[in-house]
This record gives sequence, C-alpha cells and structure tokens, in this order.
Amino acid sequence: QVTLRESGPALVKPTQTLTLTCTFSGFSLSTSGMCVSWIRQPPGKALEWLALIDWDDDKYYSTSLKTRLTISKDTSKNQVVLTMTNMDPVDTATYYCARTRYCDWVDYWGQGTLVTVSS
Amino acid sequence: QSALTQPASVSGSPGQSITISCTGTSSDVGSYNLVSWYQQHPGKAPKLMIYEVSKRPSGVSNRFSGSKSGNTASLTISGLQAEDEADYYCCSYAGSRYVFGTGTKVTVL
Repeated sequence: QVTLRESGPALVKPTQTLTLTCTFSGFSLSTSGMCVSWIRQPPGKALEWLALIDWDDDKYYSTSLKTRLTISKDTSKNQVVLTMTNMDPVDTATYYCARTRYCDWVDYWGQGTLVTVSS
Repeated sequence: QSALTQPASVSGSPGQSITISCTGTSSDVGSYNLVSWYQQHPGKAPKLMIYEVSKRPSGVSNRFSGSKSGNTASLTISGLQAEDEADYYCCSYAGSRYVFGTGTKVTVL
C-alpha cells in the first residue's frame, strides 16, 4: 500500500526558509521510473507544480520558483525534502507531496499540509 | 510559465455528458502526449482520473475519457452523476517541468 505524508511547520514568518519532509512507504525511490513531486494549492486556488526528483537523483523545478527551491531525497529513510527560501504571505498554501510514475503522472498524493506565512 | 487554460465552470444535468477543455501551447500540451487529469473534492487531495491523454487508471469509471487535438486536451464525463461534482485539473509535461491547468468546477444540476 502506497502512502505519503507531509510534515513541517504550520506557520512560518516572512523571509524565513520553509523545510517540508515527505515520508513515504509502499515504494522505493531507487526503483527505475519512480519520482516524487511537490505541488501546492493556495486556499481556493489552483494546483501549482513546484519540483520533482527522480530515482536517478535528477531534479526539476518550477521556472518561476527555481531560485528559491531545493529538493533532495534520502532513499534509506524513504524521504524527500523540499526547502523554499524567502517565504512570503503569497506562499500560504497546502503543500502536497505525490508519487509521480515515470515522472509523468501523479498516482498517489499525500493528504497535504497547510503552511501559513504570517508575521 | 503560464497555467493551462480551463473554463472556470461547467455544469450539466444527471445523465448528460460534459467536456472540459484544457488549452496550452506547442511547448506543453501540443508537444507531448503526457496530459493527466485530476478530480478534487472539497478538502480532499486530488485523484488521478486520466493519464497520458486518454488512459484510465484501474478503478476509475469508464464514464471518464480523455483526448487531445493540437494544443488542447479534453476530459469528457458521460452519464454525469452527483458524485462527479468536484474541481478538475489538467496537467501537462512541458519539457523538464510540469504545468497545471487553472481548474474547472463541475456542477451537477
């Protein structure tokens, strides 16, 4: 059974760095074709793709956010970590991690974690 | 990096068919057969409905179908049911990145 769970702070202050951890089970990120994405959704708004890491440790980032994002994995712990620097209130959103098959489509999503940026 | 364009809302009566469009560019939808569709009920995580333009994951009703022509992909829901009322998002590979659609709220009248 595939599960993913996001963890991290619910509240961050403007200019701070956000660190989110995705802990997953039911698959290995060292298996060919396996990838994990981070996707966010501001309240009442659309989904926005942020970053992806694949089994070969290749990393891909949103063009508009790539200067602020870093994605990494710890295969032994079944974890993927996303950091986002210089947080702003517009970054308030539910952040999802998601298994992405063949780096093409998301077949499993975490339940999401709401991050609020406020002083 | 612009979002793919979807109609804000689409509605239909039970039993009817509706189609949601997803318009991109020659850099995303038009270049790759890697369009997926997701259904999202309020307060829930999205659910995969269609991948690679027209493939249906196991467990998804065959009332859902996908297609693509040029820079526009489409999701058709036939035999509309009350449970289909939700938000729907398309997503396309765009060459080392991905882009989601603006989202469509489907209302069952």
